[in-house]
Amino acid sequence: DAKTTQPNSMESNEEEPVHLPCNHSTISGTDYIHWYRQLPSQGPEYVIHGLTSNVNNRMASLAIAEDRKSSTLILHRATLRDAAVYYCILGRIGGGSEKLVFGKGTKLTVNP
Amino acid sequence: ETGVTQTPRHLVMGMTNKKSLKCEQHLGHNAMYWYKQSAKKPLELMFVYSLEERVENNSVPSRFSPECPNSSHLFLHLHTLQPEDSALYLCASSHQAHLGGTGELFFGEGSRLTVL
Repeated sequence: DAKTTQPNSMESNEEEPVHLPCNHSTISGTDYIHWYRQLPSQGPEYVIHGLTSNVNNRMASLAIAEDRKSSTLILHRATLRDAAVYYCILGRIGGGSEKLVFGKGTKLTVNP
Repeated sequence: ETGVTQTPRHLVMGMTNKKSLKCEQHLGHNAMYWYKQSAKKPLELMFVYSLEERVENNSVPSRFSPECPNSSHLFLHLHTLQPEDSALYLCASSHQAHLGGTGELFFGEGSRLTVL
């Protein structure tokens, strides 16, 4: 499975934008980039995913480098509720049972 | 409310006990998963069921026995566990992309297991 590299932790202030980086230099042409987050005492939840183009949804934006070897999850205005562990994962949609391999993720702390 | 419900939320058992974890999804999904999350370790995929057939078994010890009687229910039967099996067990479901869905995983809140 292609691996991703994320910083162990990041800090942000409330109402400021947050840019969470992810490196995936061994990504293959059929790998999608997925982001999930896990709030304290909860199961992970889907945030966003993309293949080549930048993606936006109500939760976040995903900026994908032109060579696809890195991506950035953007939270436009961090809130205290965004404090969580954020996982960047590569997975192949359409290849059968989707097997998403979670790494250690980035623990985001949001300061009031 | 995620649509994926796990019971019990907390379970304490001795090494000789037999217990089961239950997962139920009301999202019409066709795949269900068991993950294990130990302290300070990444989530580990244990089992995957697609259309009620087991399609993935990641070298999980036989003291963990999954069961998927229908597309809405998933069980994890536990017997003669070890203290190192203490962890958060997470169930997830998805509508797989090769069957017309998005592939997005929906997780339950987990069952916190402590083995004494």
